[in-house]
Amino acid sequence: GAGVSQSPSNKVTEKGKDVELRCDPISGHTALYWYRQSLGQGLEFLIYFQGNSAPDKSGLPSDRFSAERTGGSVSTLTIQRTQQEDSAVYLCASSLDGINYGYTFGSGTRLTVV
Amino acid sequence: RKEVEQDPGPFNVPEGATVAFNCTYSNSASQSFFWYRQDCRKEPKLLMSVYSSGNEDGRFTAQLNRASQYISLLIRDSKLSDSATYLCVANNNAGNMLTFGGGTRLMVKP
Repeated sequence: GAGVSQSPSNKVTEKGKDVELRCDPISGHTALYWYRQSLGQGLEFLIYFQGNSAPDKSGLPSDRFSAERTGGSVSTLTIQRTQQEDSAVYLCASSLDGINYGYTFGSGTRLTVV
Repeated sequence: RKEVEQDPGPFNVPEGATVAFNCTYSNSASQSFFWYRQDCRKEPKLLMSVYSSGNEDGRFTAQLNRASQYISLLIRDSKLSDSATYLCVANNNAGNMLTFGGGTRLMVKP
């Protein structure tokens, strides 16, 4: 597709369950980012993939969070043993090169932990 | 100090007004600057890049002041549809990622 695709668009899960969120970036974009945004708050950086380099995981809030990017394309963000404070919109973005062309965001996954 | 700082607002302006937002950035070596727009419960979307010489796109004008390390966005003839949160963006200290400000909320009233 022409844009960044994320799935599912909405996810309701029970506390303690694991969830997987998927991001399909724009074809040819080497950089991929995950952010999280709580209601009324700014973007919180989670993790960044650039080409074949080791990912920058400095924004992951705990070891319950992990992400991978297979074949330099699709990425999956996994949250284990979800907690209520994990409820937020998880946004994925991709970029042609990282900083010069800006990011294109997907429409996000709204995660609700009950 | 945050890398990119913005006044959160809200800025409440009447339709037709001119409104300006400023944002400051901490990394004097930043080279890439943008303004994004985020509508309520939507993803951020690129509004415009900010060039050293300043740039204009219709009713929107972006300017960069390197000496004072701030970026501005001017919106002329505000429309109801301009109501949104505007995010200021600069590349980070390491030069490999973009850092987003917390956003400035604009509400245009009839």
